[in-house]
Amino acid sequence: GAVVSQHPSWVICKSGTSVKIECRSLDFQATTMFWYRQFPKQSLMLMATSNEGSKATYEQGVEKDKFLINHASLTLSTLTVTSAHPEDSSFYICSAYGAGGLWEQFFGPGTRLTVL
Amino acid sequence: AQSVTQLGSHVSVSEGALVLLRCNYSSSVPPYLFWYVQYPNQGLQLLLKYTSAATLVKGINGFEAEFKKSETSFHLTKPSAHMSDAAEYFCAVRTDTGRRALTFGSGTRLQVQP
Repeated sequence: GAVVSQHPSWVICKSGTSVKIECRSLDFQATTMFWYRQFPKQSLMLMATSNEGSKATYEQGVEKDKFLINHASLTLSTLTVTSAHPEDSSFYICSAYGAGGLWEQFFGPGTRLTVL
Repeated sequence: AQSVTQLGSHVSVSEGALVLLRCNYSSSVPPYLFWYVQYPNQGLQLLLKYTSAATLVKGINGFEAEFKKSETSFHLTKPSAHMSDAAEYFCAVRTDTGRRALTFGSGTRLQVQP
C-alpha cells in the first residue's frame, strides 16, 4: 500500500516559537492531503485540506494565519504552527489518497507537538 | 452534513470472546463508511470499508462489518478477540459529494483481558 511519512515524529518547543511539520507521500503523488488534529483520548478533527499548487482550505474555527499549510509539490505538504502556545500541544496527523485510490486514505504516523 | 456516533468509549472483552464495536451514522446522501485502528502514538490503519457494494464487508485481522441502512449502522465485529487487538478504533464516514475528507466518530478503546 501507499506510504505516508511525517517528520518529525515528535517535537518540543517553547511558547512563541514556530514549528514546521512535513508530510510526504513516499511512493505516490498526492494532489490533495489532509491535516487532522487529535487531542489526547479524543477523535481526529479535520483542520484543513491541502491542495497542491493552491491555497489550503481550512475548516471553520481553524486559524489560517496560525496554521500555515504549503503544498508545494505532489509529494510534500507542510504544516507550520506559528507562535505556538501550550494549547496548540496535540497530535497532528496528515493523510492522502493513494494513486488511483478513491476510497482509502493513507495516514501518516503523526507528529506529537508539545509546547512548553 | 454527515456524522458518526460510536456507542461506548471503552469496551473490554476476554481473549477469545466476540468483539462488537458499535457505529451509527447520519448522512443525507449514500455514505461510504470506514473502520480504522490506531495503536498508541501511531497513525491510523484501515481495517475495512463499505463503498456501496456488498453490505457485509470483510477486513484485515479477521474483522468484518455489516452495513444496515434501515438501522443506519455499521458495527464492527470479530469472532474471537486476540490480545493484539487492543487499540483505539474509529468509525468514519464520507460521501461522494464535495470534499473527500473523513468525519470520524469519537473512538472506542478496546481492551482485551487475558
